[in-house]
Amino acid sequence: EAVLTQSPATLYVSPGERVTLSCRASQRVSGFLAWYQQKPGQAPRLLIYDTSNRATGIPARFSGGGSGTDFTLTISSLESEDFAVYYCQQRSNRPRDAFGQGTKVEI
Amino acid sequence: QVQLVESGGGLVKPGGSLRLSCATSGFIFSDYYMSWVRQTPGKGLEWVAYITAWNYTRYVDSVQGRFTISRDSAKKSVSLQMNSLRVEDTAVYYCARDDIKRGVFDYWGQGALVTVSS
Repeated sequence: EAVLTQSPATLYVSPGERVTLSCRASQRVSGFLAWYQQKPGQAPRLLIYDTSNRATGIPARFSGGGSGTDFTLTISSLESEDFAVYYCQQRSNRPRDAFGQGTKVEI
Repeated sequence: QVQLVESGGGLVKPGGSLRLSCATSGFIFSDYYMSWVRQTPGKGLEWVAYITAWNYTRYVDSVQGRFTISRDSAKKSVSLQMNSLRVEDTAVYYCARDDIKRGVFDYWGQGALVTVSS
């Protein structure tokens, strides 16, 4: 069963800082690894797909990387609207989709 | 623009039933799989079920045999019939467009709260 572990659980940062979030998979990710952003009271929003491709309308300060079992989401210069919870997601066979438990980015 | 609007959430007793609906617009409905994803404070985000354009369905093990996903191409809507509800099914349920080419949920509804409690 695919399990995704995100670290840290909470990240305390200041606007303008560079932030790197981690997502580790329990088994090699051969295909799809994505990142979502969720703000309070809102649905998740797709940021990154296929490890490093930005979704439509996502600013260039968001970038994804990694391979195998270790993946990262980097925000090059944090803006006030970026304070949120970030989730990674892997599409596999069982379960069909696995999500990490999330990293909260706080001031 | 793509829109997904859920309805039908509410409070139900353990063992009861509830039906969620999701009205869609802004895209060619028959081109996409559709999924339901739920979120709880304890377990986070969990994919629940998906349905293909030709009505093949698949479920997470914990809801298999209790939940049924369906779609209505004429109404461009997808539904989730939830029977034999358990306390642990309490969650916000999101309808999501399922892009199988990219392996992602690229559009989400606003969510529907389902509370299972006596």
